Amino acid sequence: QKEVEQDPGPLSVPEGAIVSLNCTYSNSAFQYFMWYRQYSRKGPELLMYTYSSGNKEDGRFTAQVDKSSKYISLFIRDSQPSDSATYLCAMSVESSYKLIFGSGTRLLVRP
Amino acid sequence: EAQVTQNPRYLITVTGKKLTVTCSQNMNHEYMSWYRQDPGLGLRQIYYSMNVEVTDKGDVPEGYKVSRKEKRNFPLILESPSPNQTSLYFCASSKTGNEQFFGPGTRLTVL
Repeated sequence: QKEVEQDPGPLSVPEGAIVSLNCTYSNSAFQYFMWYRQYSRKGPELLMYTYSSGNKEDGRFTAQVDKSSKYISLFIRDSQPSDSATYLCAMSVESSYKLIFGSGTRLLVRP
Repeated sequence: EAQVTQNPRYLITVTGKKLTVTCSQNMNHEYMSWYRQDPGLGLRQIYYSMNVEVTDKGDVPEGYKVSRKEKRNFPLILESPSPNQTSLYFCASSKTGNEQFFGPGTRLTVL
């Protein structure tokens, strides 16, 4: 079993929809949780970064961490065609230099 | 502009011919890392460096070498490349090891 599981998609939604992207993990020691966006032929770009449990909002993006369920989510409100990309979750333990990535979910927002 | 640069961006080579992929960052980050990205496997860490002259293995270090003689540079060396090292390679840097900033990627093909 992988340490971090992520549905590969593709997830196809109409423009303006609310998108929910999720990852589950098995290591209860993870404390840092990140979401990256990767456009085709580009490097991953850090979108959201949270420490421990709770919610964090940044514009149209909300990151949610539920440590009791070992489950993290990224919500995108009012989705745009420019949001079409692969979204990668990543996590690490305290004082570690090692990020563990999910395999990514491909999102397609249809105009 | 704060960035991580990689060279070359594309490389086709033959089995056994030594090559080096360079990585440089201008953010004065202490932490740097190399990843490879393969379909269905996501991003896997090859090597990382916490500071000058300090490096450690990631999840898939076999067949790779690194060195960190200066803070800004972290080259990846393939002494004797093989076809199973055909992949998309990313360099990343970070102040803390968690929020990592990625380069644009190097697509390597080993024939």
